Amino acid sequence: QSALTQPPSASGSPGQSVTISCTGTSSDVGGYNYVSWYQQHPGKVPKLMIYEVSKRPSGVPDRFSGSKSGNTASLTVSGLQAEDEADYYCSSYGGNKNLVFGGGTKLTVL
Amino acid sequence: EVQLLESGGGLVQPGGSLRLSCAASGFTFSSYALSWVRQAPGKGLEWVSTFSADGVSTYYADSVKGRFTISRDNSKNTLYLQMNSLSADDTAVYYCAKAVVGGTLHAFDMWGQGTMVTVSS
Repeated sequence: QSALTQPPSASGSPGQSVTISCTGTSSDVGGYNYVSWYQQHPGKVPKLMIYEVSKRPSGVPDRFSGSKSGNTASLTVSGLQAEDEADYYCSSYGGNKNLVFGGGTKLTVL
Repeated sequence: EVQLLESGGGLVQPGGSLRLSCAASGFTFSSYALSWVRQAPGKGLEWVSTFSADGVSTYYADSVKGRFTISRDNSKNTLYLQMNSLSADDTAVYYCAKAVVGGTLHAFDMWGQGTMVTVSS
């Protein structure tokens, strides 16, 4: 159950787009369309932003989008806003009846 | 309103035990898989355990297998986590999380506020 690999930090200016990667293996990210992304503001509870690679729950702005290529999933935030500054975590079904998270990426809006 | 409310956290000595509870409301409890996810201070999220919606299957992270037991009481709309043989590595905020429709081990669309577990002598 190795953690998925995310960059520790990412940044962008308001209005710009930023993409956060999440790299796993063929046993997790690459093997299933069960990648999710969570947003967590400091001291707050995680919030589901994307599930099943690219689906958005009701209420999540369409500025947030997800995709996957091979063993790497990506979260793209378009039209960056100040409130998007938060930690972002990816997760994936791990195949062997488990779930793995990424280490998290701190997104800074410059 | 969908709500998950954890309780039972606290300070426990190494080797000790603790039982967490998660009271749910606002949705048909028995229709959803429920999980525990933890977050050590200043660290990332770690999946701990899941109980399937059909009430049959349980799943555990390797780090807790054999020490933690997940259970659910559909009559009380409550999820539990019995934690034994605790060590400092188990110190974390423990979140109760509800799976998305039709999901078991992949996405959580509702989280509780969390309960802090501190393992220290």
